[in-house]
Amino acid sequence: ETGVTQTPRHLVMGMTNKKSLKCEQHLGHNAMYWYKQSAKKPLELMFVYSLEERVENNSVPSRFSPECPNSSHLFLHLHTLQPEDSALYLCASSQGGTSGRLQETQYFGPGTRLLVL
Amino acid sequence: QKEVEQNSGPLSVPEGAIASLNCTYSDRGSQSFFWYRQYSGKSPELIMFIYSNGDKEDGRFTAQLNKASQYVSLLIRDSQPSDSATYLCAVNKSGGYQKVTFGIGTKLQVIP
Repeated sequence: ETGVTQTPRHLVMGMTNKKSLKCEQHLGHNAMYWYKQSAKKPLELMFVYSLEERVENNSVPSRFSPECPNSSHLFLHLHTLQPEDSALYLCASSQGGTSGRLQETQYFGPGTRLLVL
Repeated sequence: QKEVEQNSGPLSVPEGAIASLNCTYSDRGSQSFFWYRQYSGKSPELIMFIYSNGDKEDGRFTAQLNKASQYVSLLIRDSQPSDSATYLCAVNKSGGYQKVTFGIGTKLQVIP
């Protein structure tokens, strides 16, 4: 256990459904991340929240909508997804440092395996 | 050119041998380098990190960094079947929050 939990672990949804993925970290970290991992592709960074402020949005389609209500919780709201969105969605957290070099490691949750039909 | 390049493998080594995993990166301003291990169906877990040129050892694992050549490697001594996994190289391009780019990962198979 890394101290990062994700629910649900598996999700099957139709293209017209709306669902949400939840991530919770118990490590006291101040930065949280959503990644997408597809077969034969590198981990893709989707969103970064630092101190509850979104600081990174890597041109992710608007059908993915993140929410970070506090430093321990992160959500990914899904709506009208496409079959190509089927993947493993990983949440991670880290303890961001002050200005300059950041050395802390990212700790990953177990992931949500998403299948879009 | 990919930002972080790894050979996807599989790399097969016999049990007890040294496994050598390699990674190159394109951004010369990269500051921090990480190796994650990912078992099939599981999430990545940190093996080692390295920031300075040279070698860093932790048990059976040694990370090597050569910033001039933009090259980072991971050596696993006395490889065990339990080391069979995909090893992800990750590079932090800048300071502040951690903006990390991952390679595709090298699948390692340790043959008993």
